Amino acid sequence: QKEVEQDPGPLSVPEGAIVSLNCTYSNSAFQYFMWYRQYSRKGPELLMYTYSSGNKEDGRFTAQVDKSSKYISLFIRDSQPSDSATYLCAMSGERSYIPTFGRGTSLIVHP
Amino acid sequence: KAGVTQTPRYLIKTRGQQVTLSCSPISGHRSVSWYQQTPGQGLQFLFEYFSETQRNKGNFPGRFSGRQFSNSRSEMNVSTLELGDSALYLCASFRAEKTDTQYFGPGTRLTVL
Repeated sequence: QKEVEQDPGPLSVPEGAIVSLNCTYSNSAFQYFMWYRQYSRKGPELLMYTYSSGNKEDGRFTAQVDKSSKYISLFIRDSQPSDSATYLCAMSGERSYIPTFGRGTSLIVHP
Repeated sequence: KAGVTQTPRYLIKTRGQQVTLSCSPISGHRSVSWYQQTPGQGLQFLFEYFSETQRNKGNFPGRFSGRQFSNSRSEMNVSTLELGDSALYLCASFRAEKTDTQYFGPGTRLTVL
């Protein structure tokens, strides 16, 4: 079992839909949780960063962390075709700040 | 502020050759990490350098090596290339004390024939 599990998709939704992307993990030492967006032929860019449990909102994006279930989510409201990309979750602990990445979920938002 | 730059962007090599990839971090960033990204394995950590010293190393064979220069620029080298080394190699730079601000470069696409 990999430390971080993420469904590769693809996830196809119509424009305007609410998108839910998820990751599960097994290492209870993880404290920092991140979501990256990667467009084709580009490097990943940091979207959201959360410490420990709870919610964080930034515009149309909301990140949720449930440490008791070892489950994190990224919600995208009013999805746009420009949101079409691969979304990677990543997490790290207090001792090792090198993040462990999920394999990424490919999201396609069609007009 | 200029972002992380990587050169070359694309590279084609044959088995047995060696290759050197270059990364220039964001100005003021002293840490550089290297990752290998493949469809099958995703993003895998190779190594991390800070002030010319390797601080962390992933689980890759000794054919993969790197170094960092005094101006924080970094290079990674892969010797005796194998077909399985075909991948996108990503460099990320960040302020030493915080990894939440890790910025990735566009990557070098390496194809081994």
